[in-house]
Amino acid sequence: QQQVKQSPQSLIVQKGGISIINCAYENTAFDYFPWYQQFPGKGPALLIAIRPDVSEKKEGRFTISFNKSAKQFSLHIMDSQPGDSATYFCAASRETSGSRLTFGEGTQLTVNP
Amino acid sequence: GAGVSQSPRYKVAKRGQDVALRCDPISGHVSLFWYQQALGQGPEFLTYFQNEAQLDKSGLPSDRFFAERPEGSVSTLKIQRTQQEDSAVYLCASSLVWDQPQHFGDGTRLSIL
Repeated sequence: QQQVKQSPQSLIVQKGGISIINCAYENTAFDYFPWYQQFPGKGPALLIAIRPDVSEKKEGRFTISFNKSAKQFSLHIMDSQPGDSATYFCAASRETSGSRLTFGEGTQLTVNP
Repeated sequence: GAGVSQSPRYKVAKRGQDVALRCDPISGHVSLFWYQQALGQGPEFLTYFQNEAQLDKSGLPSDRFFAERPEGSVSTLKIQRTQQEDSAVYLCASSLVWDQPQHFGDGTRLSIL
């Protein structure tokens, strides 16, 4: 059962553009939604995270939008840079279960100069 | 070191051999997680420790997989009688306590020939 579905699988944007990645989840018990960035040969690194009591969270160029009723959340990368080229994963967890993360399938982002 | 350290970075084994993968979490981190990441996929949960106690091992794919953290710090993931489908990157993550962000190591890439 795929509990977190992520789209698109790959994304190409121009430098300075906005990158948007979407995720949908099924388990309404999830209460923590992080986004991770992964470069080749490296482990995932936490970018930004949100809990369901807010609809939006912004940190620098990165914004999470959260829609609890639709069970969807998205990552927006403003002013995308070539250095942002990486694979992005959304994830979800139930903190009452020890915070094991359920990841989406990943989105490979390429930002062209 | 400041981050999660995993060793070896690469491991090649013949089918049927046993392997052991090591994780050194961030000092003082109580929670430790193991994930398996197949090529082009998101990480999948294997098991979770709080100190030396293994609280969740529901993600271990078979009884050939065994994890331990005897002193509540370093953890070892052991795979017995390896099979080709065990080829993947094995990621370790630690967090200060169960409801804090997880910090990932760079993983061990396991190849079974």
